[in-house]
Amino acid sequence: DAKTTQPPSMDCAEGRAANLPCNHSTISGNEYVYWYRQIHSQGPQYIIHGLKNNETNEMASLIITEDRKSSTLILPHATLRDTAVYYCIVRVAAGANNLFFGTGTRLTVIP
Amino acid sequence: NAGVMQNPRHLVRRRGQEARLRCSPMKGHSHVYWYRQLPEEGLKFMVYLQKENIIDESGMPKERFSAEFPKEGPSILRIQQVVRGDSAAYFCASSRGTVTDTQYFGPGTRLTVL
Repeated sequence: DAKTTQPPSMDCAEGRAANLPCNHSTISGNEYVYWYRQIHSQGPQYIIHGLKNNETNEMASLIITEDRKSSTLILPHATLRDTAVYYCIVRVAAGANNLFFGTGTRLTVIP
Repeated sequence: NAGVMQNPRHLVRRRGQEARLRCSPMKGHSHVYWYRQLPEEGLKFMVYLQKENIIDESGMPKERFSAEFPKEGPSILRIQQVVRGDSAAYFCASSRGTVTDTQYFGPGTRLTVL
């Protein structure tokens, strides 16, 4: 699976959009981009995933660049409960079944 | 639809004892994954099982650790003769299948070895 690079930490004001970047310059054509988050020490929570098109669900939007070398997770209106570590993971469609969690981005939402 | 369930949520063992961690996958899911998170570190894959089969145990320590997912009942992660270094959070995830199926995680079991 391709490696990902994320900033170690970010702050966001409550109510504003949180934009979390992820670099995956070695991604292959059959690798998906997944986002999970871990609030405090709870179990990781699935957020969203995509292959090449932008995706949106009730939690977030995922913007993938045309060359697929980077992506951005957008939380449109951050709340204090969105404070968490966010993990960007690229995963082959067929092959290894485990998820590789890097160090992620620690997002702090500030009141 | 209940999510992935793990029990116990907290487990305290003395060195040398055995620890048994249980995971019940989401309804309709037949694939289970175990991950371990040491303090201040990211999650690390341990083992992937389907009903009655271990598919990938490449992340499992070679000694003292074993996992099973019987035809009936939860998946069990068993740690024999625990040591202080086994203290960690153990998370279970389940998916409907493999390939692109999303893994959903349980709340974890926090093991403390005294």
